[in-house]
Formats: sequence, C-alpha cells, structure tokens
Amino acid sequence: DQQVKQNSPSLSVQEGRISILNCDYTNSMFDYFLWYKKYPAEGPTFLISISSIKDKNEDGRFTVFLNKSAKHLSLHIVPSQPGDSAVYFCAASANGDDKIIFGKGTRLHILP
Amino acid sequence: ETGVTQTPRHLVMGMTNKKSLKCEQHLGHNAMYWYKQSAKKPLELMFVYSLEERVENNSVPSRFSPECPNSSHLFLHLHTLQPEDSALYLCASSQARTSGAYNEQFFGPGTRLTVL
Repeated sequence: DQQVKQNSPSLSVQEGRISILNCDYTNSMFDYFLWYKKYPAEGPTFLISISSIKDKNEDGRFTVFLNKSAKHLSLHIVPSQPGDSAVYFCAASANGDDKIIFGKGTRLHILP
Repeated sequence: ETGVTQTPRHLVMGMTNKKSLKCEQHLGHNAMYWYKQSAKKPLELMFVYSLEERVENNSVPSRFSPECPNSSHLFLHLHTLQPEDSALYLCASSQARTSGAYNEQFFGPGTRLTVL
C-alpha cells in the first residue's frame, strides 16, 4: 500500500507561471515532509522540507504547504524556470523511524 | 570532497562476477542508505544503517550484501547478479531520526550498474 501518493505522473507549465505539485499521504504518524528534485542519471537533490508543526515553509521560489487534516501537501514554484524541468519526489518520515517513504514522482515540464 | 560520493559511477559486470559499490559521506551524518532505481519505477529502499547498525533490510536478495564499517562509509557487495538487477544504485546519508534529528537525506550521484 502506497503511503505517499503523487497522483499526477506529469505536469506542463508555461515559463514564468506557477507550478503546483501535489502529494497525499495516508500514515498519520508522518511528521516530517520533504521534496526532492531529480534530473536523469543523477541522485535526487533535497529542495525543501516542512515539519508537521507548521503549515507553510518558504525558500526563495519554492513554498511547501501542509494541510494535516486533509493529509495533503503541495509544492509551489513561482516563477517557473526552464531549469525546473525535472522529476519531483514527495517524501515523508515518522518520528523515530530512519526511513523516508518516497512517492513515485511527478515529471515537470517547463514550456518556453 | 564534499557531500556524498559514490564510486564507481558506471559498472558493467557479468553474472558470475563479484564487485563492490562504495559510498562515502563528508557531512557528519550518522545514518546511511542504499536505494535502487530501475527504469520507470519509483525509488526502492534497500538497506538502512543508523548509528552503524543495520536497521532495515527491505526484502533484498542475498546476492546484495551491505557493509557499514563506520558512519562515513557504506559498501554494497554484489555477487552472482541477474540482468534484472541492472539499475541506478543510489547512496544517501542523513542524521538519524532515532537520534532526535530531522532526517533530510542527501544523495550521491549514483552508480549505473549493467549486468550482462
């Protein structure tokens, strides 16, 4: 059973507009959430995270929103740039557990 | 060297060979991980070492054998692999959540393994 779900395999967004990537989770024990970006043939790169005591965390063009009651988080990228084209993974972990559970990823295409 | 390094970056081996993948982290972390990424599949967690102790073996076949001699080094020993084991093998490190820290993982560049 998938504990972290990214239901959109791909997303296309015009350069300069906002990209919104969504993620749902099922395990109520998760208290730390992360977003990673991955280019082909490279390891994932950590982007931004949020703990369950917050509902928003912002870092430059990237903002993560957490809705605990809906078990939903989203990553907003604004403005979107060509270099943002990559696969984005949502991930989560629970207190006391060293594992991070990854979603299947969403491929983001930024269109010129 | 900074971050997480992996060697070799590419490896081609026959099914009867024995080889090892090496990972080294220079971040002062105390947890290390092996992942497998096959084409068009999600990241698969293979092994977790936390505070130099193996805490997770995610139903990985015995032809993959991990070794963590200290908190900075992690190996994956390979023997009698199958062609379906061809994949990108990724190492990551983090602080251990069991030590009370938040555990964003930092990944190495991966080893692209091809089994003939």
